[in-house]
Amino acid sequence: ETGVTQTPRHLVMGMTNKKSLKCEQHLGHNAMYWYKQSAKKPLELMFVYNFKEQTENNSVPSRFSPECPNSSHLFLHLHTLQPEDSALYLCASSRDNLAESSYEQYFGPGTRLTVT
Amino acid sequence: AQTVTQSQPEMSVQEAETVTLSCTYDTSESNYYLFWYKQPPSRQMILVIRQEAYKQQNATENRFSVNFQKAAKSFSLKISDSQLGDTAMYFCAFMTPVGGTYKYIFGTGTRLKVLA
Repeated sequence: ETGVTQTPRHLVMGMTNKKSLKCEQHLGHNAMYWYKQSAKKPLELMFVYNFKEQTENNSVPSRFSPECPNSSHLFLHLHTLQPEDSALYLCASSRDNLAESSYEQYFGPGTRLTVT
Repeated sequence: AQTVTQSQPEMSVQEAETVTLSCTYDTSESNYYLFWYKQPPSRQMILVIRQEAYKQQNATENRFSVNFQKAAKSFSLKISDSQLGDTAMYFCAFMTPVGGTYKYIFGTGTRLKVLA
C-alpha cells in the first residue's frame, strides 16, 4: 500500500448531517488533492493544496469545504449534501518540484460516501 | 482545454496474452507528462507507467509498455503476458505544469478483466 491513508473508508450520511473526511500522507509531499470518482465519469479534481495553500477549486459547491492544516493532513468537511454527491472520494499527494522527477500522484484508498 | 479520452469502457484478455488499451488526449501545451494508473477492485490506485512528452523513447516497465505517438496525441498501454492480478480499472492521465502547480486530467477509465 502507498503512504496515503484515508478515514473513514465508508460513510453513510443523511442530507442534514455534517461529517468530515480525513487524509494523511507519510511521504513528505507538499501537494495534496481531493478527487471525486463516480461511475463512468472521469476523475473530477475538486481541490488542490500546495504547501497548505489552496491553489485550485474546480467550481465545487460550498457544501464541500476543504481544510489543510499542514502539508501532511487534508480534510474535507461535508454538510447538507445531496444524493448525487454519493461517490468515492479520493485523496492524493505529490511532490511539487519538477526537478525531482517524481511528480506522479500517490492515491489513498478512498472513502465510499453514500448520501441518503 | 485539455481532454483525455479512453474509448474502451471494458476489455477482456486471456491469461498470458497481450492486450492494448487506448488513450488519446488533446492539448496545446508542449510541456506535459502522461501516466497510466491501475485501480484494482477495492484497492488503491497505483502508478503503472509514465512518459515525459519530451522523450521520444517509449517507456517500459516490465510487462507494461506504452506506444506514445506525440503527433497523433495517442498514448496506448500494452500489457504483455497478462496475469490475473492485472484485472483492474486503468486510467490514462495527463499532467502539465500550470502557474506553479500541476494540473492533472484523467480519462473515464477502461475496465480490464483477465480471464483464466
